[in-house]
Amino acid sequence: GAGVSQTPSNKVTEKGKYVELRCDPISGHTALYWYRQSLGQGPEFLIYFQGTGAADDSGLPNDRFFAVRPEGSVSTLKIQRTERGDSAVYLCASSSPTSTGDTEAFFGQGTRLTVV
Amino acid sequence: AQKITQTQPGMFVQEKEAVTLDCTYDTSDQSYGLFWYKQPSSGEMIFLIYQGSYDEQNATEGRYSLNFQKARKSANLVISASQLGDSAMYFCAMREGDRPAGGYNKLIFGAGTRLAVHP
Repeated sequence: GAGVSQTPSNKVTEKGKYVELRCDPISGHTALYWYRQSLGQGPEFLIYFQGTGAADDSGLPNDRFFAVRPEGSVSTLKIQRTERGDSAVYLCASSSPTSTGDTEAFFGQGTRLTVV
Repeated sequence: AQKITQTQPGMFVQEKEAVTLDCTYDTSDQSYGLFWYKQPSSGEMIFLIYQGSYDEQNATEGRYSLNFQKARKSANLVISASQLGDSAMYFCAMREGDRPAGGYNKLIFGAGTRLAVHP
């Protein structure tokens, strides 16, 4: 597609429920990132995929959070047993390295998750 | 640990004037990259400008320029000739490695500055 697409744009869920957030990166971008942005703060890194594998998942806050990218394109962020503190905007970004390694990450519009 | 500090929670500027948004960073790495992103109310992060730690010239992109002072560890964004559409949140971010192989883009963001442009 033309840009990074995230669905749904908004998600309201009850505490304790399971949610999935989807990211469709720019076609051909091999790198994909998930960030979380809490109200009034800058985005915080969660996880980075290079192709199908998670190359860096050091930002995942705990084992309730998991992400997959089975075919190296679309990624799904999964949150189990949601808590009110998980409420935030979840941003996805993708990038593609050039021969010089000079890249920027392109962001989607995010999924606003509200846990009630 | 890497850290980005944006000390201005909010700024306002008159249309057509220039404005400087402050950013200081902390890192022990010799190689790093600095970014500025704009986030309008729609939520999307829009890339504005990039400065590599080894770049000797300050980066410029249209009305945006980055005042890079390496010794002071500052990377302020200057927006010239402000427009009403520039009203948004602005985030400074740092990447480990100036131009890392494979394009690794793990970014550390500051808390942001909200810019309001007045007519």
